[in-house]
Amino acid sequence: DGGITQSPKYLFRKEGQNVTLSCEQNLNHDAMYWYRQDPGQGLRLIYYSQIVNDFQKGDIAEGYSVSREKKESFPLTVTSAQKNPTAFYLCASSILRTGDSPLHFGNGTRLTVT
Amino acid sequence: AQTVTQSQPEMSVQEAETVTLSCTYDTSENNYYLFWYKQPPSRQMILVIRQEAYKQQNATENRFSVNFQKAAKSFSLKISDSQLGDTAMYFCAFKPFGNEKLTFGTGTRLTIIP
Repeated sequence: DGGITQSPKYLFRKEGQNVTLSCEQNLNHDAMYWYRQDPGQGLRLIYYSQIVNDFQKGDIAEGYSVSREKKESFPLTVTSAQKNPTAFYLCASSILRTGDSPLHFGNGTRLTVT
Repeated sequence: AQTVTQSQPEMSVQEAETVTLSCTYDTSENNYYLFWYKQPPSRQMILVIRQEAYKQQNATENRFSVNFQKAAKSFSLKISDSQLGDTAMYFCAFKPFGNEKLTFGTGTRLTIIP
């Protein structure tokens, strides 16, 4: 079945460590996205990519980095510079066409930093 | 910058009743897309319905329909004959034409009471 796979589901790290969240899709979608979800704040865009080897900052990119070396993969690194990294992270993908194409989401990764 | 406002943090309704979730947005764009996403307790984000701003006809998907008022910048979701499986967080989202950035509201937690 086609879909988006995020791994792991739960991730625990010590403060000061970088951590990379995995996102893989087999939908042949061009665009991929990373969102952060916090209680009472909805989803906020971290980074997005419309094509391999290219990506753009979203609204809250500080303290995060991404890469898009393959169409299927869009890993997110949460660096030690991110002040409040504990959150639920959602990866999504979509087809690039007229703009009404919906986002398809993964199941998310819950990151806890202590 | 676009903003999306969902003024109802929580709502509850009896099973089989009809419920309307509110969403307003602020934009200077003329062409754009609007979406409603559902996030059940599993936290999987699921597209409920979408609307293209240049279409005057309100979108419908089975028991789900929208009331799109472009001049008022309002995009409410109506759920008819509500079911227990409708219990979820509901997010309204906005995407300008030609831009891949999707902006979400803060969500409404809907509980269907048996």
